[in-house]
Amino acid sequence: QKEVEQDPGPLSVPEGAIVSLNCTYSNSAFQYFMWYRQYSRKGPELLMYTYSSGNKEDGRFTAQVDKSSKYISLFIRDSQPSDSATYLCAMCNQAGTALIFGKGTTLSVSS
Amino acid sequence: DADVTQTPRNRITKTGKRIMLECSQTKGHDRMYWYRQDPGLGLQLIYYSFDVKDINKGEISDGYSVSRQAQAKFSLSLESAIPNQTALYFCATSDRTSTDTQYFGPGTRLTVL
Repeated sequence: QKEVEQDPGPLSVPEGAIVSLNCTYSNSAFQYFMWYRQYSRKGPELLMYTYSSGNKEDGRFTAQVDKSSKYISLFIRDSQPSDSATYLCAMCNQAGTALIFGKGTTLSVSS
Repeated sequence: DADVTQTPRNRITKTGKRIMLECSQTKGHDRMYWYRQDPGLGLQLIYYSFDVKDINKGEISDGYSVSRQAQAKFSLSLESAIPNQTALYFCATSDRTSTDTQYFGPGTRLTVL
């Protein structure tokens, strides 16, 4: 079992839908959780960052971490065609260590 | 200008050839990373370097080597390329005070025939 599991999709939704993206992990030592967005033919870019458990909101995006269940989520409200991309979760146990990435979920939002 | 640049952007080579991929950054970061990305497998860490004299193996280092020539430069070499090394390769950097935030280059698409 990989340390980080993420359903690759693809996931197709209509414009305006609420999107839920998820990752599970097995290493209880992970403390830092991130979501990266990768557009086609581009490098990943950091979208959201959360330390330990809890929620974080930034505009239409909300990141949730449930350490008791080893489960993280990214919610996208009022999805737009420009949100069409691959979303990768990433995590590490402490600052100064390399990130472990999920496989990425490909999202397509149709207008 | 881009903060993290990679050369070449595309490369086609033959089995057994030696090839080097180069990464340069202007962000002033200490830490640099090399990943490969394959369809359905996500990003896998090959090597990483926390400063000029520090080199660490990642989860898939076999068949690869790296050189940190300066704080701003980190190169990845394939000594004898094989077809299953065909992939998209990304370089990334991070600052020592925020290693959880990595900044990625545009990628190099490598094809080994």
